[in-house]
Amino acid sequence: DAGITQSPRHKVTETGTPVTLRCHQTENHRYMYWYRQDPGHGLRLIHYSYGVKDTDKGEVSDGYSVSRSKTEDFLLTLESATSSQTSVYFCAIGSGGPTDTQYFGPGTRLTVL
Amino acid sequence: GENVEQHPSTLSVQEGDSAVIKCTYSDSASNYFPWYKQELGKGPQLIIDIRSNVGEKKDQRIAVTLNKTAKHFSLHITETQPEDSAVYFCAASKVTSYDKVIFGPGTSLSVIP
Repeated sequence: DAGITQSPRHKVTETGTPVTLRCHQTENHRYMYWYRQDPGHGLRLIHYSYGVKDTDKGEVSDGYSVSRSKTEDFLLTLESATSSQTSVYFCAIGSGGPTDTQYFGPGTRLTVL
Repeated sequence: GENVEQHPSTLSVQEGDSAVIKCTYSDSASNYFPWYKQELGKGPQLIIDIRSNVGEKKDQRIAVTLNKTAKHFSLHITETQPEDSAVYFCAASKVTSYDKVIFGPGTSLSVIP
């Protein structure tokens, strides 16, 4: 998976609790992305980063925040998890922006009860 | 904003037959169209892409065609094999919009031995 790891791989949590997902890359790529995957919706962009401390919103950013303090790490935080955030979350990396290849991690399955 | 539709949602073919998946997009400014393959339990992987200055691209058994006038693009897989069974996603993006990598809802392809 192109030097991308995600942790945890599976998590079950309760409504209202904070959750942080981590994406770690060893490729030194500039761009990092967080997507969620839900049946019938494909992949939807939550947030992305175009450099250390440079982040911006995607199409489904409400309820999520991100941080990137190092090139290799991109954190996704659900401040107060809701059942609608039950999903599979994928991190992706790329070197060339939105019109270049993205390499996806193995995913994190999050269940919010 | 950009909207990507994908058909069919499921597709079953006999081994050795061809498979075709079609996508349409709404934003005429989109200029990059990748196709990703996702095997069960894994993250998506790029299999082929095409840019708006090209009408067709081929890589062994896989080809993609683009019709900019009609705003649709298609994935063609010839001589299908059981290992082609997966979910395929099309996507559309443009260089000026980092937050606009829009994926289609996916097509589940089953190749029957």
